[in-house]
Amino acid sequence: AQTVTQSQPEMSVQEAETVTLSCTYDTSENNYYLFWYKQPPSRQMILVIRQEAYKQQNATENRFSVNFQKAAKSFSLKISDSQLGDTAMYFCAFIPGTSGSRLTFGEGTQLTVNP
Amino acid sequence: DGGITQSPKYLFRKEGQNVTLSCEQNLNHDAMYWYRQDPGQGLRLIYYSQIVNDFQKGDIAEGYSVSREKKESFPLTVTSAQKNPTAFYLCASRLDRGINSPLHFGNGTRRTVT
Repeated sequence: AQTVTQSQPEMSVQEAETVTLSCTYDTSENNYYLFWYKQPPSRQMILVIRQEAYKQQNATENRFSVNFQKAAKSFSLKISDSQLGDTAMYFCAFIPGTSGSRLTFGEGTQLTVNP
Repeated sequence: DGGITQSPKYLFRKEGQNVTLSCEQNLNHDAMYWYRQDPGQGLRLIYYSQIVNDFQKGDIAEGYSVSREKKESFPLTVTSAQKNPTAFYLCASRLDRGINSPLHFGNGTRRTVT
């Protein structure tokens, strides 16, 4: 069974600064995908970024980037130039490479961006 | 626009009543999922379905039932056996042909037992 762990229940950052959210996972699979989702106060789940395990290059989407360390089974999310609208719960998720698999979510990190 | 529609948005029911939450998607996605989110916690999988007329239990299936008679619809029934008083239910779907396809979520249903 796969597990996803987010060890930081809450974090805060000042507007315009950079923050990193951590995520580790446990799997015996070699091929898989990782995702970060954002849940703002509206509770809508929004995909932030995704990473393919067989790609060494870290994914980047505007101010969001990941640090994917496959050997360490680590998948952290870096948010640069934090904005007030980034305040949300952030979830890390994992899916194995076999068709029909299910996503497993971490418990989430509540990020607050302060003005 | 394509998307996932959940209804109702809010649900108030007395204990002992069964209730069905609706989830409809027009994304032509193969797989559909129901998650429950308890206050301050992450998402836990209730049931999921990869194809029509087939579904599997997730981690917290007790007290719930589902059906998948049509590709676009995956209703969830919360039975009177489900003791959790208040929770937020999220429906999601994804293309199952490639593992890099992410989940698309509905806006959720908040259930409160009175």
